[in-house]
Amino acid sequence: DTGVSQDPRHKITKRGQNVTFRCDPISEHNRLYWYRQTLGQGPEFLTYFQNEAQLEKSRLLSDRFSAERPKGSFSTLEIQRTEQGDSAMYLCASSFAQGADIQYFGAGTRLSVL
Amino acid sequence: GNSVTQMEGPVTLSEEAFLTINCTYTATGYPSLFWYVQYPGEGLQLLLKATKADDKGSNKGFEATYRKETTSFHLEKGSVQVSDSAVYFCALRGPGSARQLTFGSGTQLTVLP
Repeated sequence: DTGVSQDPRHKITKRGQNVTFRCDPISEHNRLYWYRQTLGQGPEFLTYFQNEAQLEKSRLLSDRFSAERPKGSFSTLEIQRTEQGDSAMYLCASSFAQGADIQYFGAGTRLSVL
Repeated sequence: GNSVTQMEGPVTLSEEAFLTINCTYTATGYPSLFWYVQYPGEGLQLLLKATKADDKGSNKGFEATYRKETTSFHLEKGSVQVSDSAVYFCALRGPGSARQLTFGSGTQLTVLP
């Protein structure tokens, strides 16, 4: 068990460019979550999947954001036409639906939009 | 909607001091409550949890009791160590089908030798 893995760890991009982040959950976990964390704040929920189905999306997830989990394993989060306000740490978490359903977090992808 | 209010930091203590970080919440029904810890450069790690009123979560010398009457889940440790220096987040997960966590803003703890 290698934990939740996120790639890349850091991304610097220019305003208007598209970026894509990847999350690999703990292998037996069927739920996967994306959160966003800005400096000095707690993580804010963006969206979550159970297997390949996207079950809930936050109002924070504007139409420039899209998330996929095509085979119920890894997930990608794409941001189109990035804006400076998108600069944040993007966190992925996974959990196993049965039992305590504890969320385990990756180290995050830090996005800087110049 | 659900919300979590956390004691503002930063908090600086000397080694072996007593720690309290206050957390109160607003939620309908009976949420599950969590404390997560974030060390520099690492992901959030679950520290402890409680799923019903009067439950006490404990781990690594840290404790927190789910108080329904005061809607609180304060984190305590009797004797902090330098290695406890980190950011601590209180969080809740609402009852029902919603699975996402709602976090407080975090409290930076620094323990000096």
